[in-house]
Amino acid sequence: TQLLEQSPQFLSIQEGENLTVYCNSSSVFSSLQWYRQEPGEGPVLLVTVVTGGEVKKLKRLTFQFGDARKDSSLHITAAQPGDTGLYLCAGYSTGNQFYFGTGTSLTVIP
Amino acid sequence: ETGVTQTPRHLVMGMTNKKSLKCEQHLGHNAMYWYKQSAKKPLELMFVYNFKEQTENNSVPSRFSPECPNSSHLFLHLHTLQPEDSALYLCASSLRLARDTQYFGPGTRLTVL
Repeated sequence: TQLLEQSPQFLSIQEGENLTVYCNSSSVFSSLQWYRQEPGEGPVLLVTVVTGGEVKKLKRLTFQFGDARKDSSLHITAAQPGDTGLYLCAGYSTGNQFYFGTGTSLTVIP
Repeated sequence: ETGVTQTPRHLVMGMTNKKSLKCEQHLGHNAMYWYKQSAKKPLELMFVYNFKEQTENNSVPSRFSPECPNSSHLFLHLHTLQPEDSALYLCASSLRLARDTQYFGPGTRLTVL
């Protein structure tokens, strides 16, 4: 079983569309990170959220941490081909174990 | 991002070779990690070091041997690998163990023939 489940697993959209990626767990997390990974490269940190209900914005990307700190979402507005990549959520459970999500592979078609 | 560097970026080796992967972090972190990422699989944590001491070994075969001479450097020594060991090997570091954001290197793409 995977502690952090991401949905959807694959997403292919047209340039300019909006999308939301979800990261869900039945466990509480003390913090959650979102990373983007391109093929053959390491994951690059996008954001860390630590407070329940927290919302962070990074240009066209909006990240939200659920009130109960069990889930998170990533919303991209007006997606661009440069947003293409594997999006990974990850975080520390309250037991201080670090878990990676199952990943969402995003393709933005020009 | 040059906070965590890994060399080499690509490595092809035979099953009888011995090679080493190197990771260096310039972030002043105290914890370092090795991960394995195979095609279409989630990242697998292999080893964890905190202040140069190994704190976790996730049942990794002995053909993988880590070494952490100081908090800034981490090595993964490889010998008699199998083709199924071909993967992207990622190094990461965090300021403190088990609580701070992990920052990743670019990875070493390993192919075992």
